[in-house]
Formats: sequence, structure tokens, C-alpha cells
Amino acid sequence: EAGVAQSPRYKIIEKRQSVAFWCNPISGHATLYWYQQILGQGPKLLIQFQNNGVVDDSQLPKDRFSAERLKGVDSTLKIQPAKLEDSAVYLCASSRSLMGQGAGELFFGEGSRLTVL
Amino acid sequence: GESVGLHLPTLSVQEGDNSIINCAYSNSASDYFIWYKQESGKGPQFIIDIRSNMDKRQGQRVTVLLNKTVKHLSLQIAATQPGDSAVYFCAESYNNNDMRFGAGTRLTVKP
Repeated sequence: EAGVAQSPRYKIIEKRQSVAFWCNPISGHATLYWYQQILGQGPKLLIQFQNNGVVDDSQLPKDRFSAERLKGVDSTLKIQPAKLEDSAVYLCASSRSLMGQGAGELFFGEGSRLTVL
Repeated sequence: GESVGLHLPTLSVQEGDNSIINCAYSNSASDYFIWYKQESGKGPQFIIDIRSNMDKRQGQRVTVLLNKTVKHLSLQIAATQPGDSAVYFCAESYNNNDMRFGAGTRLTVKP
């Protein structure tokens, strides 16, 4: 089966500009995650969707970050305006499992590397 | 707050030796744990998982051990190969919610 697709792979912007990342999960996967991975650290969960509803966005900086998953398939993550500390790899992952119905493996895309100058 | 962490940030082993990567977790309610491998420029890749009702699970060349008494997770890699060089993360979740990752251990395999 095709894996999780993300684009763009690389993006360089100046601070205060905006950027958007796109994710196409594995077909049929109900749960979609966006993680932020700063260099040298483990991935940090930003937001978790189940179908097109938000399950957990407690760690999403909502003053500048937004995400949506229209129709329960593709998702976009937007940052506006970007700050220097947003420089990171943004990873999208998907899972077959639904919350409360048993945990399951997360399948990750290759990530979108953002550099904010 | 509660978090997942790792004991060692780096580990260097000789090719052919066995590797052991450790992880401490603090959320006693976590019921599912995964080890991921991340190579440079790529997303994390699933290695092996274990549920909280088990204390050991084996895969091909890998074994995960879970000690709930001391909230400790380990990954054992047998006959480590150069292709095993990567950063390894443990992750925990409860009720399939909020899969949280540790900081990672970089494994380097010397020929």
C-alpha cells in the first residue's frame, strides 16, 4: 500500500511569513497526527484527528498554528506568522486505530523540513 | 508533567554485538508502547510494539521488554549491523490517544 505522503519536503521562509504543509494519509486510516520534531529531539504531538474531528490539540500553539482535515482524508497544517523557533521537521502520521478501540502502529511520512530565517 | 525519556543519548557498539537501548516512562496508565527507528532525513519507522498486559515480545532480531513495576522499557537488538545505525525512540500512549515520544538514543555501529 502507498505510504503517508507529505509536501513540500523542504521550505525556507522568513519570520512573520506564512507556510502550509499538506498530508495524505494511508487510505482507510481513520486517525491522523501532526508532530513537530525539532533537531535533536523526539517528535512532539501537535494535533490528532479522528476522521475529520479533532481528538487532541492541547499542544498546538493556536495563536499561530492551525490544522484541518476536511472530509476525513487529507490534512493541512498552517503556520501564520512563523517564528524562528518554528524551524523543525513537521511529521504527519496515520493509524488504522480509533481512540478507545485499541492502540495501533503509527505510519509516518518523511516529513516537511521548515527553516525560518 | 509526565513524560517519556531515555537513559542514554548515544550508544556505540561493535558490529555483531548485541545492543540494548533503555527507556523510562512515568505515566503508569500508559497501555501501549512502541519502539521506532529514525534514519537521517526520514520519518520514524515502526520496529516493535508491546501492550501493557505483556512483559516481553520478540521480533526478528529485536526484543522489547516491559517492566511496569519500575516503568522501564528496553529494546534489545541481536547481532547489530551497520544498517541498524539510527536514532531510536520509545513512545507511549493510553487508550490510543496522544502517542508521546522520548528524546531518542543515537545508535552507532562500528565495523
